[in-house]
Amino acid sequence: DAKTTQPPSMDCAEGRAANLPCNHSTISGNEYVYWYRQIHSQGPQYIIHGLKNNETNEMASLIITEDRKSSTLILPHATLRDTAVYYCIVRANTGANSKLTFGKGITLSVRP
Amino acid sequence: ETGVTQSPTHLIKTRGQQVTLRCSSQSGHNTVSWYQQALGQGPQFIFQYYREEENGRGNFPPRFSGLQFPNYSSELNVNALELDDSALYLCASSLDRGSGGYTFGSGTRLTVV
Repeated sequence: DAKTTQPPSMDCAEGRAANLPCNHSTISGNEYVYWYRQIHSQGPQYIIHGLKNNETNEMASLIITEDRKSSTLILPHATLRDTAVYYCIVRANTGANSKLTFGKGITLSVRP
Repeated sequence: ETGVTQSPTHLIKTRGQQVTLRCSSQSGHNTVSWYQQALGQGPQFIFQYYREEENGRGNFPPRFSGLQFPNYSSELNVNALELDDSALYLCASSLDRGSGGYTFGSGTRLTVV
């Protein structure tokens, strides 16, 4: 079972920031928070991951709460091409338990 | 560098038949994982291969089997196909059992009739 909970869907206007929440209250100390997204009919695409510090890359920012029980993925300027299912996943970084356990994700719809 | 490639892209099989799906991992990656994604669901982990040996398995019956070759490419075999096996099958490769994350292919869409 997935160790994360996400709302089923959300939408935002093109050009605005999209803030995607995720709860992971049972996260272990050695588990990272990963975000992937899946555009229709394609394989999941890695976005970003973090352990406890906030992270930023060219795609997005990841904000992890101090107690690590929740996080938010931020797409600063959403475009129509960001419409996808976004998966929040917690996993250990290496070893036999490093598989990705996907939930149902959150469907982000970016409207013109 | 090349990404993960899967073949075929689409396949139709009859119930009871056997199928083999193929995956070429990203250059430099030695780990391959397979996932099954039913319509409207997230991908479900089938198994992972690391340096030609199975290194973790999800809740799938033994008729789901796999291989990893010395060049780290991989096959997924499914025997005695059932209608519920209809799904998108995704292959993902990584370095050293997931260190640094996974790169996914675009999948094989299997339809069992």
